Formats: sequence, structure tokens, C-alpha cells
Amino acid sequence: AQSVTQLGSHVSVSEGALVLLRCNYSSSVPPYLFWYVQYPNQGLQLLLKYTTGATLVKGINGFEAEFKKSETSFHLTKPSAHMSDAAEYFCAVSEGTGNQFYFGTGTSLTVIP
Amino acid sequence: EAGVVQSPRYKIIEKKQPVAFWCNPISGHNTLYWYLQNLGQGPELLIRYENEEAVDDSQLPKDRFSAERLKGVDSTLKIQPAELGDSAVYLCASSSLPSGTGELFFGEGSRLTVL
Repeated sequence: AQSVTQLGSHVSVSEGALVLLRCNYSSSVPPYLFWYVQYPNQGLQLLLKYTTGATLVKGINGFEAEFKKSETSFHLTKPSAHMSDAAEYFCAVSEGTGNQFYFGTGTSLTVIP
Repeated sequence: EAGVVQSPRYKIIEKKQPVAFWCNPISGHNTLYWYLQNLGQGPELLIRYENEEAVDDSQLPKDRFSAERLKGVDSTLKIQPAELGDSAVYLCASSSLPSGTGELFFGEGSRLTVL
């Protein structure tokens, strides 16, 4: 069965500092991997996704993530945090066509001025 | 292009009452999902549709929950009777790609409070 683990339910960074949100997954086949962001009282919106090809993927708002098969990880990074990045971030995995998405429990990012 | 529309945004009911949530997906999106999101948790799948067919309803508590997607467009999720533990946000999402592959577009959710 697939699962997603997000280490750290709460992460605080200073404005301008590196953002690193961790995601590890389990999957028996090459996974499809996603990061979503959720602002208060809103639905989730896609930041970036990995399906095939280049393992370093770039998303919106300066975020990127790297698929590391050997580590079963898909950590999300951003070089310099902005106040507007404060939100809840969810990692999700799927085993592809016909399968459902599994979401992690989320990481709440706080950006300190 | 309009996004996924859900209504109502907020609903407060007493336990044992029925409640229904409506979702209008993005035009042309054949795949539709209903998720349950508890406070501080990630979305959990309730049911997913491809066109009008429910292809995965294994996690839908069928004793009290029901869903339908008429004509493969709008969808309704119903709870009858509601219990205290049903208080949560119900999210609808749609996709233009087969389930499990592409980006999900989420609505803003329907927040249910059961008293």
C-alpha cells in the first residue's frame, strides 16, 4: 500500500531563509509525486509535480522539489522564504493511471519577519 | 475559466439531520473526486468518478453517505443522518486526466459543523 510521510507538522523559518519541507513515500511502482499548497479557508492548489523525466522539478512561486528514488523522497525547497509563503503544504503520491492519490498529513509553514 | 465550485461553503446542522453538498467541476473534466479533510490532516478520498461511473467508493461509509454524479458533470454528496464525527471540510476536486495521473483542481470546500 502507498503512504506518504511528511516529517515536521510545523516548520518556522525567517523571511529570506531557506525553506525545506520533507516528504517520504512508499510505492511499489514508479510514483507520480505532487506538492500542493493550501491557504486558510481555501482548497489545495498545485505547486509542482513529478511524473517522469527530470528528477528536479520547478514549480510556481520559486519552489522546486527533487525526486530521489534511492531515498524514496520528494522534498520541497525554496531558496528564500517570503511572508506570502505561510500556508499548509501537502505532499501526495499516486501509482499512476487508475489509482488514487494519497496525501500526507501536511506541514504548516510559518514565516517570521 | 471558472474553477471548481462547491456549495454551501459552510453548513451547521444538528446531529441526525441530513446534509448535502454540491460540486460543479471544471468544464470538460471527466474525473471527479470527493475528499474529507479533518482539521490538521490531509485530504482522504471518499469517492472518485470517471465520467458518471464511481470507480472507487471503497472508502465511502455507505451506511450514511451517498454520492451521485448525474450526466458525468455535477456531483452531490449526501450524509444522512449526520453524526458529530462528520464535522470536517468536504473537498471536491476534478481533473482532465485519468485518475491518478494529473493535477487535481480543488474547490474551496464545504465546512460542516455537526452540533
